[in-house]
Amino acid sequence: DAGITQSPRHKVTETGTPVTLRCHQTENHRYMYWYRQDPGHGLRLIHYSYGVKDTDKGEVSDGYSVSRSKTEDFLLTLESATSSQTSVYFCATVLEGSSYEQYFGPGTRLTVT
Amino acid sequence: EDKVVQSPLSLVVHEGDTVTLNCSYEVTNFRSLLWYKQEKKAPTFLFMLTSSGIEKKSGRLSSILDKKELFSILNITATQTGDSAVYLCVGPDGTSGTYKYIFGTGTRLKVLA
Repeated sequence: DAGITQSPRHKVTETGTPVTLRCHQTENHRYMYWYRQDPGHGLRLIHYSYGVKDTDKGEVSDGYSVSRSKTEDFLLTLESATSSQTSVYFCATVLEGSSYEQYFGPGTRLTVT
Repeated sequence: EDKVVQSPLSLVVHEGDTVTLNCSYEVTNFRSLLWYKQEKKAPTFLFMLTSSGIEKKSGRLSSILDKKELFSILNITATQTGDSAVYLCVGPDGTSGTYKYIFGTGTRLKVLA
């Protein structure tokens, strides 16, 4: 499972509040990703990181920001949560130069009321 | 624009049936195609395909790639209720130094006892 943990695993929050999700990995992988998964849309990339302080936007980055101050941690922040951000969020890493296999964290279920 | 399209979107079969799941793709600098199985948790890796016409097998599951037609299929023979899941097809963007993944929306398979 590539030693990926996510916290919290479940969260219910109110519209307009800030929320931070944490992804932690123990394998020293350079690349880390945040996806959201919604019915009918599959997994969509929010942001990804290719090193400490190096991040880039994915296809659904509006309303989200990320930070990576250490190799092992990748934080996803919803500055002001909206109901449309209710989703399951997955973090992932990939072993560079490998078979492109991605390793996923267990997911965080976020509900914005 | 890169895209991965899976069909059918959902499928209901009975135990013992054989199913074929389809994936068509248009991915920048194609290098490989990945299949994942997702039950009620994070996706788990099934296959990586890089060469046309070479079948990959794992037990009752097999997959093959047609790079000319930009197409892949995943076959499951003698289905069991434990095969019930969402099957995801993924095309990594093969641009050098890029590790971005394009996910299909998935095929939801339900196997009835």
